[in-house]
Amino acid sequence: SYGLTQSPSVSVSPGQTASITCSGDKLTYKYVSWCQQKPGQSPLLVIYEDNKRPSGIPERFSGSNSGNTATLTITGTQVMDEADYYCQAWDRNTVVFGGGTKLTVL
Amino acid sequence: EVHLVESGGGLVQPGGPLRLSCEASGFTFSTSWMTWVRQAPGKGLEWVANIKQDGSEKYYVDSAKDRFTISRDNAKNALYLEMSGLRADDTAVYYCAKGAAPRGYYSYYIDVWGRGTTVTVS
Repeated sequence: SYGLTQSPSVSVSPGQTASITCSGDKLTYKYVSWCQQKPGQSPLLVIYEDNKRPSGIPERFSGSNSGNTATLTITGTQVMDEADYYCQAWDRNTVVFGGGTKLTVL
Repeated sequence: EVHLVESGGGLVQPGGPLRLSCEASGFTFSTSWMTWVRQAPGKGLEWVANIKQDGSEKYYVDSAKDRFTISRDNAKNALYLEMSGLRADDTAVYYCAKGAAPRGYYSYYIDVWGRGTTVTVS
């Protein structure tokens, strides 16, 4: 079955740029989405189809996908962005999630 | 506003059954793929099952095949997950989620999540 790999944790200082990566075989040929989950809350879609932002998601969130790696970039990271982030792809009619990355902003 | 409200979670003994429900509102339910996703305590998200708009296609994670059944009632805007043979490792928060597949079978993402219902197998 298809697998997506994320680093367990990323740390960034407020105002800096955070990059969260998601790796999978030939991932560039799949569309990747990203969701954010804060403690005690349901996930929230922040990026879909590699680089599209849903309505209401701040412009500081952006995405890219090339080769075997998709990247979620948060420019000018804010303390409120501290959360778990999950990448997701679609493979043979199944939804595949990465293991999640805990973003710490300090 | 789009809402997904799950119900039916609770404490169940190993081997027992449980039926989860999800009430949808604020969007055209009958034209949306729907999904169940679960999250074990302290763990990541795990996809459980998908169902196509008319219920004609259903897909499951391997661990749920032969034990879980996803279904829907478009007249009631409701999604269901029938679970049987429950095990301790099925303990999780179960989320009902709305799928989006704008490019047919080439793209699928979850654009709306419910608040979840907790299933404890013990």
